[in-house]
Amino acid sequence: GAGVSQSPSNKVTEKGKDVELRCDPISGHTALYWYRQSLGQGLEFLIYFQGNSAPDKSGLPSDRFSAERTGGSVSTLTIQRTQQEDSAVYLCASSLAWGSTDTQYFGPGTRLTVL
Amino acid sequence: SQKIEQNSEALNIQEGKTATLTCNYTNYSPAYLQWYRQDPGRGPVFLLLIRENEKEKRKERLKVTFDTTLKQSLFHITASQPADSATYLCALGSSNTGKLIFGQGTTLQVKP
Repeated sequence: GAGVSQSPSNKVTEKGKDVELRCDPISGHTALYWYRQSLGQGLEFLIYFQGNSAPDKSGLPSDRFSAERTGGSVSTLTIQRTQQEDSAVYLCASSLAWGSTDTQYFGPGTRLTVL
Repeated sequence: SQKIEQNSEALNIQEGKTATLTCNYTNYSPAYLQWYRQDPGRGPVFLLLIRENEKEKRKERLKVTFDTTLKQSLFHITASQPADSATYLCALGSSNTGKLIFGQGTTLQVKP
């Protein structure tokens, strides 16, 4: 079956603009995760969803970042008033359930470049 | 604060040798530890999970150990192949959440 897909694959934007990143998880997966990976760095946890609710938003770097998930499926990560330090690869993952023993399946990521 | 350290220097080994990668952590008591492989331009791919009460886990040419006293996991690839060249990430998780904390990864280069 299809894996996790993300769009766009690349996004170049100007500082101060808003961007929306989309994640389509594997069908039937109830948990969805967003991570950020800067050059040469590990994955930084941003937020995760259990169904449509987000029990843990602790990783969002600032109030310019928000995410939603509708219908227990597609999720959108929105970054308002982008800054150059927001440049990174944004990765989405999904898992069957929300426990940490459940394998997380990652999408290919969206590479965001803020000029 | 919680900290995970993986060797930031690339590991270069000869084909056929055993590669050993290290993951050390502090200020954390994980219930689980996972290892992922990441190729350039791609998302990480799950390899192995080991629980806190397990000392060792094997899968084909892969072996993971987990020492909660030393706060360390070792990841071994035996009979390494050039196709094993990639970045390997360790990730820690607790029992009550799906949130994983990742290390920065170690790049392995296997030369023919």
